[in-house]
Amino acid sequence: ETGVTQSPTHLIKTRGQQVTLRCSSQSGHNTVSWYQQALGQGPQFIFQYYREEENGRGNFPPRFSGLQFPNYSSELNVNALELDDSALYLCASSPAATGSITGANVLTFGAGSRLTVL
Amino acid sequence: EDKVVQSPLSLVVHEGDTVTLNCSYEVTNFRSLLWYKQEKKAPTFLFMLTSSGIEKKSGRLSSILDKKELFSILNITATQTGDSAVYLCAVEAATGRRALTFGSGTRLQVQP
Repeated sequence: ETGVTQSPTHLIKTRGQQVTLRCSSQSGHNTVSWYQQALGQGPQFIFQYYREEENGRGNFPPRFSGLQFPNYSSELNVNALELDDSALYLCASSPAATGSITGANVLTFGAGSRLTVL
Repeated sequence: EDKVVQSPLSLVVHEGDTVTLNCSYEVTNFRSLLWYKQEKKAPTFLFMLTSSGIEKKSGRLSSILDKKELFSILNITATQTGDSAVYLCAVEAATGRRALTFGSGTRLQVQP
């Protein structure tokens, strides 16, 4: 069973550019969520994808967009990069779109993509 | 707006010490509270708590939830250098999505 894999691991962009980050979910997981983690802060929810549709969004502007593919992998796209977009972007997958009190479908995180915007 | 506050922000202890990490929260329609350990990049799951007063335990780590006072603690006994990490607390509301609200974390450093 493979875990959540993300690419690239590191990248550097300049203000105004666009970036695409990729995520392969854990085997058997159909739901992918993206989080932004600034230095010294906890992860912040960007959005979640389930069955190729956005299923919930955090407090992020429309220049943050995503896709989920039929194999449940996902992309995060950020347009018009700003300096404050510099962060670790974490992808997490789970076997269901909603939580469960049994703990059977907790989020499994990837190692993240470190984005630096200059 | 859901909110999670963790304390202390950072902590330095020596091997063998016992530590207690705190997490207080505000969430509409609570479903669960989760603890994660983040050593380098990927947060790894430790515990999920849904009921008050029931201790979850895994080796030297344990955690408990108080839903009346809206807080949780994570205890680590006989700390080892491998316990050095950022410990993240998160809450999940009972909505139709898996959105966790995280605290800023507690950075634990265990010295030999």
